[in-house]
Amino acid sequence: EVKLLESGGGLVQPGGSMRLSCAASGFTFTDFYMYWIRQPAGKAPEWLGFIRNKANGYTTEYNPSVKGRFTISRDNTQNMLYLQMNTLRAEDTATYYCAREGATEGPDWFAYWGQGTLVTVSS
Amino acid sequence: DIQMTQSPASLSASLGETVTIECRASEDIYNGLAWYQQKPGKSPQLLIYNANSLHTGVPSRFSGSGSGTQYSLKINSLQSEDVASYFCQQYYDYPFTFGSGTKLEIK
Repeated sequence: EVKLLESGGGLVQPGGSMRLSCAASGFTFTDFYMYWIRQPAGKAPEWLGFIRNKANGYTTEYNPSVKGRFTISRDNTQNMLYLQMNTLRAEDTATYYCAREGATEGPDWFAYWGQGTLVTVSS
Repeated sequence: DIQMTQSPASLSASLGETVTIECRASEDIYNGLAWYQQKPGKSPQLLIYNANSLHTGVPSRFSGSGSGTQYSLKINSLQSEDVASYFCQQYYDYPFTFGSGTKLEIK
């Protein structure tokens, strides 16, 4: 069974930094692209970026809305996905989800999602 | 960016009815479209990918269709557990983008 479990959310001041983690299990982690997606309360989700699989060199792509502030990385020895967020703004307040791609040919649909972790940016 | 226009924003239907949700892309997305269901307080869950392929474990009363810029999600024989918000999403081009969502309620 595919499982994704995010952690690391909470309250952060504007201008601050935060790192989110996502623990993956139930599949061969290195075979799949992994995504980060966020969703402000009551709004549609927003794709933030992804990190490719082993076959594609673990390179990354980002939404221009966060490029340069957010960094996605993975620890393939621990089956962990990370999202480093810098220079946080009030508009970054949202629930943050990690997700796994559907096939191993990525990038494609978000087949499995974690339960999410809430990030609140406020003074 | 590819804009995804989803309609209607909200929908109220009776148990057993058939409902359809539409999604229009601002350019051809060549069937690179997924549909997600999000129940209150839960994370989104995949229903349909590649415009018309049913994800594992999703009931067959859900179906997707369309091509080019026009796509739709149909729910047959509406059940009480289908109360949720539904989102379309394109993965044809970066940045991947979502529709604004449809909130489905039971009459």
